[in-house]
Amino acid sequence: DAGVTQSPTHLIKTRGQQVTLRCSPKSGHDTVSWYQQALGQGPQFIFQYYEEEERQRGNFPDRFSGHQFPNYSSELNVNALLLGDSALYLCASSLGNTDTQYFGPGTRLTVL
Amino acid sequence: EDQVTQSPEALRLQEGESSSLNCSYTVSGLRGLFWYRQDPGKGPEFLFTLYSAGEEKEKERLKATLTKKESFLHITAPKPEDSATYLCAVQNTGNQFYFGTGTSLTVIP
Repeated sequence: DAGVTQSPTHLIKTRGQQVTLRCSPKSGHDTVSWYQQALGQGPQFIFQYYEEEERQRGNFPDRFSGHQFPNYSSELNVNALLLGDSALYLCASSLGNTDTQYFGPGTRLTVL
Repeated sequence: EDQVTQSPEALRLQEGESSSLNCSYTVSGLRGLFWYRQDPGKGPEFLFTLYSAGEEKEKERLKATLTKKESFLHITAPKPEDSATYLCAVQNTGNQFYFGTGTSLTVIP
């Protein structure tokens, strides 16, 4: 049973650039949530997608956007990158938006 | 505002020395409380979900308990492989998730 997968594993960008991160949910799951985890901190909720729509959003600017595809996979896009966007980006999937979330291994983004 | 506070920030134990990690929470309406284990540079690994005060769950050397204001993760006779950061999270009735900053556990052989 495949768990949550994310790509790429690592990414290096420069300030002002744009980045796209990808996530495939655990088999049978239909809901994807994205989190940002800075070094030494807990994950912070960015947004959640269910039925291809953004259902919940945390306190993140509009530079952060996403998409969910019919096969339930998802993308996180970040525009106009800032140094402070350097973090581990985690994707979590669940069955419905009230169930336990299972996390992927994360994408480490470094902004120079 | 909904929030989660974990203590201590770091904990060093001798192998076999039992202890507890604390998760205090303030939430408008609790849908669930979650415990995860996270190894360095990896995604959190799910451990437990608790839904109501008085509920307890166990898995190997770990036991999680829940009251109306806090949760405890009890570690009995820990081994070096239990070394990790343990994260607590709450889900409110609006389906938003809030994580604590974690407790970094080191178990010394």
